[in-house]
Amino acid sequence: NAGVMQNPRHLVRRRGQEARLRCSPMKGHSHVYWYRQLPEEGLKFMVYLQKENIIDESGMPKERFSAEFPKEGPSILRIQQVVRGDSAAYFCASSPGQGASQETQYFGPGTRLLVL
Amino acid sequence: AQKVTQAQTEISVVEKEDVTLDCVYETRDTTYYLFWYKQPPSGELVFLIRRNSFDEQNEISGRYSWNFQKSTSSFNFTITASQVVDSAVYFCALRDFGNEKLTFGTGTRLTIIP
Repeated sequence: NAGVMQNPRHLVRRRGQEARLRCSPMKGHSHVYWYRQLPEEGLKFMVYLQKENIIDESGMPKERFSAEFPKEGPSILRIQQVVRGDSAAYFCASSPGQGASQETQYFGPGTRLLVL
Repeated sequence: AQKVTQAQTEISVVEKEDVTLDCVYETRDTTYYLFWYKQPPSGELVFLIRRNSFDEQNEISGRYSWNFQKSTSSFNFTITASQVVDSAVYFCALRDFGNEKLTFGTGTRLTIIP
């Protein structure tokens, strides 16, 4: 039973380029979450999505960042015109989404983004 | 507002010693969930435990145990007979009922010295 998959594991971009991070949730999971971990810090919530819907994007920067979770295919976190401050580890998590809201979130291995 | 405090930034202990990682949380909700995750040097996050606010029983899983004290808003994690493989960063996290986002502490880096 495969866990949460993220790719690429490492991504290097120059300032001004676009970064696209992919996340495939665990089988049977319909809820996806993105978190960002800056160096030597804890994880910070960015966005929560269900299939074709953004449910909570209160942690997303207002500009340059977007996320989607289409009906088919992985969830995508897109960062346009990257800046050095975007360098971080980006983690995706998924949960089953059935029943009450207390299901555990299971995390992928993360994508380490380095902006030169 | 939710807040999780892990006051211990780094801890080092010699192998086979016991070690306790502290976690203190703040929330206005009466129903909430607490979590511990492990981040080994390879970087992934590994789920360890979830505790519901209405269940104050302590839990033991092998060498791991968790002490949930609602009166002091603490959810501490103890590793007994530590091993080198326990070396990692450990995160405590909180989620309020009805709110899907996790609020993480800043983590405690645990180093087990052989």
